[in-house]
Amino acid sequence: AQSVSQHNHHVILSEAASLELGCNYSYGGTVNLFWYVQYPGQHLQLLLKYFSGDPLVKGIKGFEAEFIKSKFSFNLRKPSVQWSDTAEYFCAVNARTGGSYIPTFGRGTSLIVHP
Amino acid sequence: EPEVTQTPSHQVTQMGQEVILRCVPISNHLYFYWYRQILGQKVEFLVSFYNNEISEKSEIFDDQFSVERPDGSNFTLKIRSTKLEDSAMYFCASSRDRGNYGYTFGSGTRLTVV
Repeated sequence: AQSVSQHNHHVILSEAASLELGCNYSYGGTVNLFWYVQYPGQHLQLLLKYFSGDPLVKGIKGFEAEFIKSKFSFNLRKPSVQWSDTAEYFCAVNARTGGSYIPTFGRGTSLIVHP
Repeated sequence: EPEVTQTPSHQVTQMGQEVILRCVPISNHLYFYWYRQILGQKVEFLVSFYNNEISEKSEIFDDQFSVERPDGSNFTLKIRSTKLEDSAMYFCASSRDRGNYGYTFGSGTRLTVV
């Protein structure tokens, strides 16, 4: 069964610091990869997605992620975080399983940015 | 921008009672999903629904759960006899295909079983 690992459960940064959140998945076939963000008290929102082409994808609010197939990784990055980036970040994988696609989420990483 | 609408936003129910959580997916989407998130834990897949039938379900989605699309607009999740451990945030999502382009999530229903 596919799984998604987010190794950083809690990250605390100061504003303007650089961010990298790790995401690894276990699945040997074709995958579609996503990062979702959940701001406090709000619903999940799609930050960015990858399914083919350039492995470096750019999303909203200055976020980007790089798909490294050999490492089964899809790490999220932002060069300079802001206080408003405080949120929960979820990596997700959509892979074909038994004829259907079952989206699998990681446990999430809680990011706190201090002003 | 189109939204997935969920009602109610918060529901408190007594253990053993039935609850129905409602969702209105985006109108031209064909795939519908329910997820739950227990406080402090990861988002868990419950069930996917396509062409008026369940296409996939997780082991969490046991006989006490059911889904329905009664009128071509609403998509409901029913929990027949709630347990304390059903307390969670329940998210509805929809997608125009099998989710390759991502899912649009609703704002969630916080279910509290007392």
